Amino acid sequence: AQKITQTQPGMFVQEKEAVTLDCTYDTSDPSYGLFWYKQPSSGEMIFLIYQGSYDQQNATEGRYSLNFQKARKSANLVISASQLGDSAMYFCAMRELTQGGSEKLVFGKGTKLTVNP
Amino acid sequence: DVKVTQSSRYLVKRTGEKVFLECVQDMDHENMFWYRQDPGLGLRLIYFSYDVKMKEKGDIPEGYSVSREKKERFSLILESASTNQTSMYLCASSYDWGMYEQFFGPGTRLTVL
Repeated sequence: AQKITQTQPGMFVQEKEAVTLDCTYDTSDPSYGLFWYKQPSSGEMIFLIYQGSYDQQNATEGRYSLNFQKARKSANLVISASQLGDSAMYFCAMRELTQGGSEKLVFGKGTKLTVNP
Repeated sequence: DVKVTQSSRYLVKRTGEKVFLECVQDMDHENMFWYRQDPGLGLRLIYFSYDVKMKEKGDIPEGYSVSREKKERFSLILESASTNQTSMYLCASSYDWGMYEQFFGPGTRLTVL
């Protein structure tokens, strides 16, 4: 079973509008973290935002905010006032413990966002 | 700024060749990671290292090995390359566990003929 599910393979949004990218996760560990990364066509992965499972408030970073609904196990990324430069792949990832006691990230399959002028 | 560099942007090898992918980070990070990225599959963790000479298998380690002799350098080795190892390979590093994000290199697109 997938641990991170991104149900939207592709999304379109008009410039200056807000868009929500969905992410649901599956874990039984009470301590976990959720990351969002952006990957433009150039290929580099860019960290956007982080939410810890014990954080009381939703994370925000500039135009990015995370709509964290713990009971529903969802961590949706909201981009406000979309810009043409926001066109990219977006990946949701969850931090989880390994058998060896370390941590690793498990990534979803991504959502391709296209911002139209 | 943290910088993670990878030795090649593009690489073409033949089936059966031994392939080395090198990754270097310049911020004294403890942890380093190797992923492969394939269309429709997202990023999958191959191996990671949490200290010099310490490594742990990720989700898809078969056909790969790694080496970390120095803190700043993490190598991915394909002992005998096969066509199903044609992929984009991404290296990353992080300062610590928990809330610390991973910083990624630009990727190496490997083609095995």
